[in-house]
Amino acid sequence: QQQVKQSPQSLIVQKGGISIINCAYENTAFDYFPWYQQFPGKGPALLIAIRPDVSEKKEGRFTISFNKSAKQFSLHIMDSQPGDSATYFCAASTNAGKSTFGDGTTLTVKP
Amino acid sequence: DAGVTQSPTHLIKTRGQQVTLRCSPKSGHDTVSWYQQALGQGPQFIFQYYEEEERQRGNFPDRFSGHQFPNYSSELNVNALLLGDSALYLCASSLEGDETQYFGPGTRLLVL
Repeated sequence: QQQVKQSPQSLIVQKGGISIINCAYENTAFDYFPWYQQFPGKGPALLIAIRPDVSEKKEGRFTISFNKSAKQFSLHIMDSQPGDSATYFCAASTNAGKSTFGDGTTLTVKP
Repeated sequence: DAGVTQSPTHLIKTRGQQVTLRCSPKSGHDTVSWYQQALGQGPQFIFQYYEEEERQRGNFPDRFSGHQFPNYSSELNVNALLLGDSALYLCASSLEGDETQYFGPGTRLLVL
């Protein structure tokens, strides 16, 4: 049973555009929702994370929007750059350390 | 400040063999989690170690076992390797009580 569903599987955006990746979860006990960026041959790197008591969190060009009632959250990348081209994973956890990941979104930003 | 390190970077084994992967956590971290990432998929949680004990376990068979040493480093052992065990094995470290995880670069395991 997949507890975190991520979409789209792949995304192509023009430089300067907005990239939007969506995730939905099932387990209402999840209380921590991080987003990771992964480049080929590297491990995932934490981008930004949110807790369910907050509806939005912004760090630089990256924003998480969280809808607790809909059990959905999304990542927005503003002013997307070619260097943002990578695979992005959403995740959710109920306690420290054990994270359930989505299947990833491959983002390509065209110059 | 060294981040999470893993060894080896790549490994080739044959079916039925056993493998040991190693992880050194980020300085100051006491909790180590292991994940398996198959090609094109998200990481899947294997287990977590804290205070040298397995604290949580994901949906993986007993062929997967681990250990944590007093210096917080950790090993992942996989016995009776199957072709389906081919994947990137990731180690993540954190501080007890803090959800923030730092991932290593992974060990790419190929089972032939």
